[in-house]
Amino acid sequence: GAGVSQSPRYKVAKRGQDVALRCDPISGHVSLFWYQQALGQGPEFLTYFQNEAQLDKSGLPSDRFFAERPEGSVSTLKIQRTQQEDSAVYLCASSFPGGQVYEQYFGPGTRLTVT
Amino acid sequence: GQQLNQSPQSMFIQEGEDVSMNCTSSSIFNTWLWYKQDPGEGPVLLIALYKAGELTSNGRLTAQFGITRKDSFLNISASIPSDVGIYFCAGQGLKVNDMRFGAGTRLTVKP
Repeated sequence: GAGVSQSPRYKVAKRGQDVALRCDPISGHVSLFWYQQALGQGPEFLTYFQNEAQLDKSGLPSDRFFAERPEGSVSTLKIQRTQQEDSAVYLCASSFPGGQVYEQYFGPGTRLTVT
Repeated sequence: GQQLNQSPQSMFIQEGEDVSMNCTSSSIFNTWLWYKQDPGEGPVLLIALYKAGELTSNGRLTAQFGITRKDSFLNISASIPSDVGIYFCAGQGLKVNDMRFGAGTRLTVKP
């Protein structure tokens, strides 16, 4: 079946612009995660949804970052007034919790470059 | 920042050689996972480990969940060119949203 998809794959924004990044999780996956991956680093947690509820947003670096998942499927990560330090790959992952299995399946990411 | 110490940072090996990489943490994790990431793609799950001491294989890959629950290693036997990529360890705590990644091991395989 289809995996996690993300769009756009690449985004160049001028400093100060707002951007919106989209994630389509695997159908039926209840949990959805957003990660930020800086160059040469592993992914770092941003926020987590279970269905439409945002249960944890402790990783969002500032109040310029906002995520939503209004119908419990597609999610959007919005970054307002982008700054150069926001340049990174933004990864989305989904999982279907069952017992102790919390294996996350990642999308290809959106590479954001802020100039 | 990263909370897992992953080593080595990079490896250059000849095709056919075996590879070993490991991950340590100051915190206990309930699950250890190993991912591989190719350029321009998201991480792909290779192996998941759920119990301390567990040794799991997936083809040429073998991984172990350390007894102390603070470390894990991944071995790749008889490496081939398509093993090239970045390998990440990840430790998961009690909560589903508590997953921390290492900084990755970049593997280069020379044919």
